[in-house]
Amino acid sequence: SQQGEEDPQALSIQEGENATMNCSYKTSINNLQWYRQNSGRGLVHLILIRSNEREKHSGRLRVTLDTSKKSSSLLITASRAADTASYFCATERPSGSARQLTFGSGTQLTVLP
Amino acid sequence: NAGVTQTPKFRVLKTGQSMTLLCAQDMNHEYMYWYRQDPGMGLRLIHYSVGEGTTAKGEVPDGYNVSRLKKQNFLLGLESAAPSQTSVYFCASSEQYYGYTFGSGTRLTVV
Repeated sequence: SQQGEEDPQALSIQEGENATMNCSYKTSINNLQWYRQNSGRGLVHLILIRSNEREKHSGRLRVTLDTSKKSSSLLITASRAADTASYFCATERPSGSARQLTFGSGTQLTVLP
Repeated sequence: NAGVTQTPKFRVLKTGQSMTLLCAQDMNHEYMYWYRQDPGMGLRLIHYSVGEGTTAKGEVPDGYNVSRLKKQNFLLGLESAAPSQTSVYFCASSEQYYGYTFGSGTRLTVV
């Protein structure tokens, strides 16, 4: 079952613009993570935000988390053509000693030069 | 620093054949995972391991078996391949409180 669902499914912007992707989930979480996947490649971890955090920054990335609304957003500022990729949110639920991530179906971001 | 290495990268199987996918990590991570990725469905967890000698079922375990005899290796086996197992398979590893490190994937086609 998909715990996280990204919105929109596809996003096309011009280079230099900001890109915002949203993620909604259904159950309580330990943390929420964002990953990037370039075409034909593996996933790359971007950022992890814990359930007691509300905002986190990493370079041009800004992630927010609203546990009351069970939602998160990923903002990429000043986008570049190299940011073209699929972006996935993934949630880690409280599960004792076992860590398990559940992924959404992703947002395909296209940055036009 | 290789990270997570998957072999093979591509494979074509006939229905009913068996094969083993190998995942190796050099980061001394405790946790290892096998996911499959199908178009439009994100990643789904097949099996995972919380340490050497342990394995557990994920969301879609049917038709697959795993073993973790050594901490650095996590093997995924298909005993009798079916066309429904055509997919891209990703291995990942992690430590507590950190993000996952993924391999580059194995593209499997079952005809």
